[in-house]
Amino acid sequence: GAVVSQHPSRVICKSGTSVKIECRSLDFQATTMFWYRQFPKQSLMLMATSNEGSKATYEQGVEKDKFLINHASLTLSTLTVTSAHPEDSSFYICSARGAAPPSTDTQYFGPGTRLTVL
Amino acid sequence: RKEVEQDPGPFNVPEGATVAFNCTYSNSASQSFFWYRQDCRKEPKLLMSVYSSGNEDGRFTAQLNRASQYISLLIRDSKLSDSATYLCVVRKRNEKLTFGTGTRLTIIP
Repeated sequence: GAVVSQHPSRVICKSGTSVKIECRSLDFQATTMFWYRQFPKQSLMLMATSNEGSKATYEQGVEKDKFLINHASLTLSTLTVTSAHPEDSSFYICSARGAAPPSTDTQYFGPGTRLTVL
Repeated sequence: RKEVEQDPGPFNVPEGATVAFNCTYSNSASQSFFWYRQDCRKEPKLLMSVYSSGNEDGRFTAQLNRASQYISLLIRDSKLSDSATYLCVVRKRNEKLTFGTGTRLTIIP
């Protein structure tokens, strides 16, 4: 099956720093990538949807200037948390949907990145 | 009201027992339905899609009632490895997945 990787798997940083998370589709071209955030004991919340070569579409309440998303190629999307604060500590998960069957109907999830901001 | 509602549990069930989870969704325009499984500190993984006619995959049976906007998952002969959080997921016409908060299941030896 399709594989999506994320890097890093875990990051601990100081308040005020920026953190970049990479999401890669390893064996298929992903026209659309999704970024989710999950706080403890809560459901996954969609933050934004990105299509290759165009600006991301952010969900209501998600600050686009704080969570910068770049989807520069069909296999790579990045999420940058700018000026991270402790309340940004969360589990960030990306998923990808492919350009061609069978990956067009299914979202494949990356393993997630656990961010801790001190 | 949440778009997708699930009983958070926890469900503590002895090994070999049958357990059922329910889920309701509020948007009647929802078109696709899924059950995902999420292990602690891991990403969600697709368990099975849910079809109107009901579908079965080994020990797992999923059912959809569009009139009641209700989805169920039945696990028979539960195994220790079934311990996880089960997420009810719906997809609307604009193709965004909406996740329930999940039902936590622990299988007891």
